[in-house]
Amino acid sequence: QLQLQESGPGLVKPSETLSLTCTVSGGSISSSSYYWGWIRQPPGKGLEWIGSIYYSGSTYYNPSLKSRVTISVDTSKNQFSLKLSSVTAADTAVYYCARLYYDILTAYDYWGQGTLVTVSS
Amino acid sequence: DIQMTQSPSSLSASVGDRVTIPCRASQNISNYLNWYQQKPGKAPKLLIYAASSLQSGVPSRFSGSGSGTDFTLTISSLQPEDFATYYCQQSYITPYTFGQGTKLEIK
Repeated sequence: QLQLQESGPGLVKPSETLSLTCTVSGGSISSSSYYWGWIRQPPGKGLEWIGSIYYSGSTYYNPSLKSRVTISVDTSKNQFSLKLSSVTAADTAVYYCARLYYDILTAYDYWGQGTLVTVSS
Repeated sequence: DIQMTQSPSSLSASVGDRVTIPCRASQNISNYLNWYQQKPGKAPKLLIYAASSLQSGVPSRFSGSGSGTDFTLTISSLQPEDFATYYCQQSYITPYTFGQGTKLEIK
């Protein structure tokens, strides 16, 4: 059974960089059928797509965050990561990593449990 | 960006009711429309992909329909565990966008 697990600091200071890692177990991140993505949800609000990465390193980002976002992949560790720079309180959210089954579903079929990141001094 | 609109933002219904939840896209997205269910404190769960295909393991009381710009999620007979928030999402083009959600509440 595929599992995704987010990890990283739960508290980040304003203007600093938020860094999260998603560890994939029970399957290979290097499969040609999948993209791997980050989605966030501010407390009490809806879902916002941040971006996705293919195992080869090809990325797609939300233009609203593109200047501050970097998503990378480490196939040797079966992990992918998110960096969001110059954070503000508006970046406080639960951050989810998820698998996009690209060639069949074009939908996010497996999700991590989510991790709350609070931006505060 | 493609805007996804879900209205109403909340809906009251009773166990056993048939419920429909609408979603509208700001432009034609063919059938690249997915539905997710989210319960408090949990990650979203994929219910329907490609507008009308039932994800493996999802009860058959859930169904989806529509194409182009107008879509509907139908729950044929509400069960207690179905009270949750439902989101539509377009996967036609990046940035993938979600509707603001419809919260299904107990009447």
